[in-house]
Amino acid sequence: EPEVTQTPSHQVTQMGQEVILRCVPISNHLYFYWYRQILGQKVEFLVSFYNNEISEKSEIFDDQFSVERPDGSNFTLKIRSTKLEDSAMYFCASSKDSAYGYTFGSGTRLTVV
Amino acid sequence: GQQLNQSPQSMFIQEGEDVSMNCTSSSIFNTWLWYKQDPGEGPVLLIALYKAGELTSNGRLTAQFGITRKDSFLNISASIPSDVGIYFCVGRAGGTSYGKLTFGQGTILTVHP
Repeated sequence: EPEVTQTPSHQVTQMGQEVILRCVPISNHLYFYWYRQILGQKVEFLVSFYNNEISEKSEIFDDQFSVERPDGSNFTLKIRSTKLEDSAMYFCASSKDSAYGYTFGSGTRLTVV
Repeated sequence: GQQLNQSPQSMFIQEGEDVSMNCTSSSIFNTWLWYKQDPGEGPVLLIALYKAGELTSNGRLTAQFGITRKDSFLNISASIPSDVGIYFCVGRAGGTSYGKLTFGQGTILTVHP
């Protein structure tokens, strides 16, 4: 079964450093998303991306965050200057179109120290 | 923003018992989804509901899309140990938020053999 692949599985970074979280969505999917889950809390929407542009973003997705699809296969989330409160599991997801249930990756656990 | 109230927060049951969990919202969703999350993994889609009143089964799982479009339930029959995990109800609104998912707080299910 096709999978969404995320790397790394765990990233530890110093506060103030930039991090890039990487995702390889399912190959024939056209819609891409990032969600995050702070430990013990619910999964929260960050951003959706379609046709090489952001289609929607949440209040969490401020100027410190950016997304990019640098080539035909990768989808990245960049946090420019990490804060302690950015520590969370970050999930990438993709879907064939916006009407289908998404396939989520296994997540990247980001720890900011 | 849109909120989903999921209950119960946790359940401890014996193997073989049936389980029921539900979700309510103050606003309308056009799609209801139920996901399961195992520890350290991303959410996995269990059932998708696209029409008000729809009742859908997937093996031992049955879910319904409430007629008001503001609620949904999930039933698991004859639970087994591998049913352990966190179950999330998820709503998707229409319009410009068509691609964004709103997660409930989750129901933690523990099954005792």
